[in-house]
Amino acid sequence: QKEVEQNSGPLSVPEGAIASLNCTYSDRGSQSFFWYRQYSGKSPELIMSIYSNGDKEDGRFTAQLNKASQYVSLLIRDSQPSDSATYLCAVSGGGADGLTFGKGTHLIIQP
Amino acid sequence: DAGITQSPRYKITETGRQVTLMCHQTWSHSYMFWYRQDLGHGLRLIYYSAAADITDKGEVPDGYVVSRSKTENFPLTLESATRSQTSVYFCATGTGGSIEQYFGPGTRLTVT
Repeated sequence: QKEVEQNSGPLSVPEGAIASLNCTYSDRGSQSFFWYRQYSGKSPELIMSIYSNGDKEDGRFTAQLNKASQYVSLLIRDSQPSDSATYLCAVSGGGADGLTFGKGTHLIIQP
Repeated sequence: DAGITQSPRYKITETGRQVTLMCHQTWSHSYMFWYRQDLGHGLRLIYYSAAADITDKGEVPDGYVVSRSKTENFPLTLESATRSQTSVYFCATGTGGSIEQYFGPGTRLTVT
C-alpha cells in the first residue's frame, strides 16, 4: 500500500524566517508530487507541483524532490502569518487512480 | 466561473438513510474524484472517474455508490448512512489521473 509520511507538527516558525516542510513516500515508482495548503475549515489548495529531481521555485515557495531518497520538501521563504495552515504532501504513481495524501503538517508562523 | 461546486455544504442525516452529495464542475476536466477527510486519516480516495460512464473504486469505496452520466456532474450516494461515514467530503477534478487536482469547497456530513 502506498504511504506518504509527514510530521504532523505543529511546526512553529518566526515571521520572516524560512519554513521547511518534509515528506517521504513509500512507492519508488511515484512520478508526480504535489503540495497543497489547507486552511482550517477550507478545502485543499494546490500550491506546488514537481515531477523531476531537483528544485522548483515559485515566488516564496520552493519544492525539492529527491527520488533516490524518496523525499519531497517544501520551503517557504519570508514566512508570513497568512502562511499558517496545514500543508499536505500528495504523491501519484502515474496511473489514473488519483493521489495519495500525507496527513499534513500544521505550520504556525509566529508574528 | 464557479469551477467546482458541491451541494449541500452541510448535511445532517440519520443512520440508515440514503443521502446524495452533488459535485458539479464548469471546467470540463475529464477526471473527477471523491475524497473523505477525517482526523487521524487525512484525505482518502473513495471513487474516481476518468470520463462519463467510467468509474472506479478508490481506497475506501464500501458503502458508497457513484455515477457519472455527464462530464460535469459526479454525485456520491451513501445508500444507507452509518455513523462511521460522518466526515468532510471533497470533490476534485483534474485533466489526468496523476496530475494536478483541484478541490471543491467540501460537504460536511454528520450521521446521527
